[in-house]
Amino acid sequence: GAVVSQHPSWVICKSGTSVKIECRSLDFQATTMFWYRQFPKQSLMLMATSNEGSKATYEQGVEKDKFLINHASLTLSTLTVTSAHPEDSSFYICSANGLAGPYNEQFFGPGTRLTVL
Amino acid sequence: DAKTTQPTSMDCAEGRAANLPCNHSTISGNEYVYWYRQIHSQGPQYIIHGLKNNETNEMASLIITEDRKSSTLILPHATLRDTAVYYCIVRVLNFGNEKLTFGTGTRLTIIP
Repeated sequence: GAVVSQHPSWVICKSGTSVKIECRSLDFQATTMFWYRQFPKQSLMLMATSNEGSKATYEQGVEKDKFLINHASLTLSTLTVTSAHPEDSSFYICSANGLAGPYNEQFFGPGTRLTVL
Repeated sequence: DAKTTQPTSMDCAEGRAANLPCNHSTISGNEYVYWYRQIHSQGPQYIIHGLKNNETNEMASLIITEDRKSSTLILPHATLRDTAVYYCIVRVLNFGNEKLTFGTGTRLTIIP
């Protein structure tokens, strides 16, 4: 199957700093990428939909100025958590939607665990 | 997307078949049933999907009732590595920017 990578796999930062997470589709072009957030023992919650070359669409309650998304190419989307605070500590997962699978499946990255001190 | 309901947790003995049910009584005619699983601290993994016919692949089988209001994911010979949270999702297949809405899923524990 298609492979989606994320970098870094984990990051620890101080409160007030910004953190960038990369999501790459390694062997297919992704017209759309999705960013999810998952708190401990909870399900995945969609944060935003990212389309190559256009502005991201954010879900209700997600601050677009805090979670900056850039989808500059068909294989790369980045999520920047600006001025991170401890409550932003979470597991961030991206997925890529392309034509890699026979039925336009979504392929998920391995996730990035963010810890804000 | 239509909502789904799944049991919160299930146990299954290693080597036995694991049967995970899902109710989707409000599913629309053009909505598919998808199953994903998430092993601890990893991203979700696609398992299988179907519309109305039973489906089988190398990972699992999917049985959809004739009225399509429920389905069962079957892992024929469960191993310890199958311990994960299993999500049943219904979605339209439109080759567009279709987002997935995850419910709470079923936490499956395989017992040695």
